[in-house]
Amino acid sequence: GNSVTQMEGPVTLSEEAFLTINCTYTATGYPSLFWYVQYPGEGLQLLLKATKADDKGSNKGFEATYRKETTSFHLEKGSVQVSDSAVYFCALGTGFQKLVFGTGTRLLVSP
Amino acid sequence: DTEVTQTPKHLVMGMTNKKSLKCEQHMGHRAMYWYKQKAKKPPELMFVYSYEKLSINESVPSRFSPECPNSSLLNLHLHALQPEDSALYLCASSQAVVGEQYFGPGTRLTVT
Repeated sequence: GNSVTQMEGPVTLSEEAFLTINCTYTATGYPSLFWYVQYPGEGLQLLLKATKADDKGSNKGFEATYRKETTSFHLEKGSVQVSDSAVYFCALGTGFQKLVFGTGTRLLVSP
Repeated sequence: DTEVTQTPKHLVMGMTNKKSLKCEQHMGHRAMYWYKQKAKKPPELMFVYSYEKLSINESVPSRFSPECPNSSLLNLHLHALQPEDSALYLCASSQAVVGEQYFGPGTRLTVT
């Protein structure tokens, strides 16, 4: 079946540090891949997406590249800010109107 | 505009009450979703409407009753809920069956 595995958190970083949150997936077919972010007390916001192999999604300084050979979609940011503290969800969509979410990774950024 | 709105933001209800959650989108999306999210967990899909017809029910108890009055609105009617139903209820919409979903801010439900 389809599944997403994310690194466990929390990930604790100092401001301006480099961020990587690992995400790997198992899927039949050719899924689309997404990163969503959830700030405390809010809903999920779409952060970035990639729809085919080697696509790079980017938004607000965050990037992720769809790697079919390693079935990965790792989230990166060169310099995190305190305001980036949130829970990040990796997700895949294979059609049939369903998203499969990872368990989420909490990011804590300190000044 | 990629906004999905939900009302109310917070809801406290007793186990014998009947209440409704509302969701609205004006992006012209034809698929709408209800999710339930417990603390420190990812969202769990409950229902999917496609072109105003219920297409997926993830074996949700009948005390949750969805309704899609038109392509922009989605309701979730609640009755005889249990305390374990307390959670954040999220609505989402998407343009097509494949593609990104846009989420609303959620309704924080507490069942007493």
